[in-house]
Parts: sequence; structure tokens; C-alpha cells
Amino acid sequence: KQEVTQIPAALSVPEGENLVLNCSFTDSAIYNLQWFRQDPGKGLTSLLLIQSSQREQTSGRLNASLDKSSGRSTLYIAASQPGDSATYLCAVSASTLTFGKGTMLLVSP
Amino acid sequence: EADIYQTPRYLVIGTGKKITLECSQTMGHDKMYWYQQDPGMELHLIHYSYGVNSTEKGDLSSESTVSRIRTEHFPLTLESARPSHTSQYLCASSESARGDTQYFGPGTRLTVL
Repeated sequence: KQEVTQIPAALSVPEGENLVLNCSFTDSAIYNLQWFRQDPGKGLTSLLLIQSSQREQTSGRLNASLDKSSGRSTLYIAASQPGDSATYLCAVSASTLTFGKGTMLLVSP
Repeated sequence: EADIYQTPRYLVIGTGKKITLECSQTMGHDKMYWYQQDPGMELHLIHYSYGVNSTEKGDLSSESTVSRIRTEHFPLTLESARPSHTSQYLCASSESARGDTQYFGPGTRLTVL
């Protein structure tokens, strides 16, 4: 059974810092990996999707990498801002999506 | 911008009541999903559908049922709500099951007293 682990569970940084969120998964037989953002009490917003054949994807200040063979992905956020404060979820897709518990990020002004 | 809607956003109801959580999308997606999320925990898939008249149970056992009579509509029903059903319920849709992004609705936060 696929298991997804996210480290750290929570992270607090001052504005402007670059940061890395980590995601690991136990079964490398995946179609893709997605990073989502979830604001308190709200649904999920898709940030980046990396197909299993890709190594990384970039969108603005966000860069996600995928090493399928080792079962790892990282989400890099450059020049963090208070508006980046949210919970970031990693999910891997086989027949269905399996989610991690998320990393709760707080960026202070 | 994804167009997927859930109603109600918040629901407080007594034990034993029948409830239906609504989910609709205007993107013409064939694939739709229901997830359950407890505070601080990961999302768990409870139901999914790959098209009209197709429904399957997800990874997490649930006492709820779903139907898919129209492409755009995927309601979830609890025949007799219990306090253990208190949770957030998130609906999502995608164009394909494997390679595409899932788009999520805002969620319904259900409290059963």
C-alpha cells in the first residue's frame, strides 16, 4: 500500500527566506506527483504536477523536483512571502491519489 | 480557474438525520472524487466515479453512498448521520484518472451532534 510522508510537519520562517519541503513515497510505480496548497477551511489548489517521466516543474517562485527511483520529491519556494502561509500537500497518483499529511508553513513579516 | 462547487459549505445536524452533500462541476470532466479529511490529517478517498452510472468505493471505508446520473453532478448521501461522520468532505474532478490535475471544490465541513 502506498504511503506518503512529508517532512517537516510544520515550518516557521521569516519573510524572504528560501525553503524546501520534502515528500517521500514508498511505491515508485506512480503516474505523477502533485503539490497542492490548502488554506485553512478551504479546498486544495494545485500548484505543480510532475509526470513520472519528468524530473522537475517550475511555476514562478516554486520549483518541484521528482526522483521516482528513490521515492522522493522536493518543493522549493524562493523568496518566501507572508501570503505563502498555508499547508502544502504532496500527492502521488497510481490508480488514485494518495496524500501526505502536509507541511504547515508560516511566513512571518 | 477551476469551476467546481460544493454546497453547503458548513452543516451542523443532529444524529439520525439524512443528509446530501452536493458537488457539481462545469468543466465537463468525466472523473469525479470524494475525499474525507479530519483536522490535521491526510485526505482519504472515499468514493470516485469515472463517468455517468459508474461509482466505486475508495481506500477509506465509508457509510456514505454516491450517485452519478449526470456528468456534472456527484452528490454524496449519508442515510443516518452520526457524530463519527463529523469531518470535512472535499469533492474533486479531473479530465483523466491518471495524468491530469485534480481540481478541488471548497469543501463541506460537517458537524453531527
